[in-house]
Amino acid sequence: IAGITQAPTSQILAAGRRMTLRCTQDMRHNAMYWYRQDLGLGLRLIHYSNTAGTTGKGEVPDGYSVSRANTDDFPLTLASAVPSQTSVYFCASSDDQGATYNEQFFGPGTRLTVL
Amino acid sequence: SQQGEEDPQALSIQEGENATMNCSYKTSINNLQWYRQNSGRGLVHLILIRSNEREKHSGRLRVTLDTSKKSSSLLITASRAADTASYFCATVAVRGSTLGRLYFGRGTQLTVWP
Repeated sequence: IAGITQAPTSQILAAGRRMTLRCTQDMRHNAMYWYRQDLGLGLRLIHYSNTAGTTGKGEVPDGYSVSRANTDDFPLTLASAVPSQTSVYFCASSDDQGATYNEQFFGPGTRLTVL
Repeated sequence: SQQGEEDPQALSIQEGENATMNCSYKTSINNLQWYRQNSGRGLVHLILIRSNEREKHSGRLRVTLDTSKKSSSLLITASRAADTASYFCATVAVRGSTLGRLYFGRGTQLTVWP
């Protein structure tokens, strides 16, 4: 593994189904993030984690949950998918130390379609 | 919202020309970052400029930051067809519940014609 990997690459999901998007990084970064990208709206932060064991809500957290059991993995779960969650999802990580916020490294994305 | 806003939304130029994209934001920042996204791909970090810096260079990229005007610009010199992509600015807040979070603008779509 080099950098950040996401799985699956794409998925078509029926509304009401549960779905977990996977994200793994091998850079030992303390911070990880989930964004969604919709046409014309740019990237919006869903949830973040500053360090293993902690998570926080971003701009658009409703309908999503995350966990950070260890440094490397940061899965995003849609408990009951709705069509408005159709989007491209990006995971990212960064090596933030105290008040020094650094660049984020992005995964290749997961294209999710909810029908 | 404290997200950055890029201008223009779309830019079309010939190879060899310079491309300038601007970004404005609303609140005090820790730093401002520029990212590039090729169609169907993830974002790639280009350059980070901190609030106490005014200008940074990286290869053909030049970024300026004017905190008094809450604005930044990205200049790509001697553009190439391979520079065709979407370019995003993103800001990191300095205080409050959004401390440390990265907020993206909607991007500038740059097309460089051979």
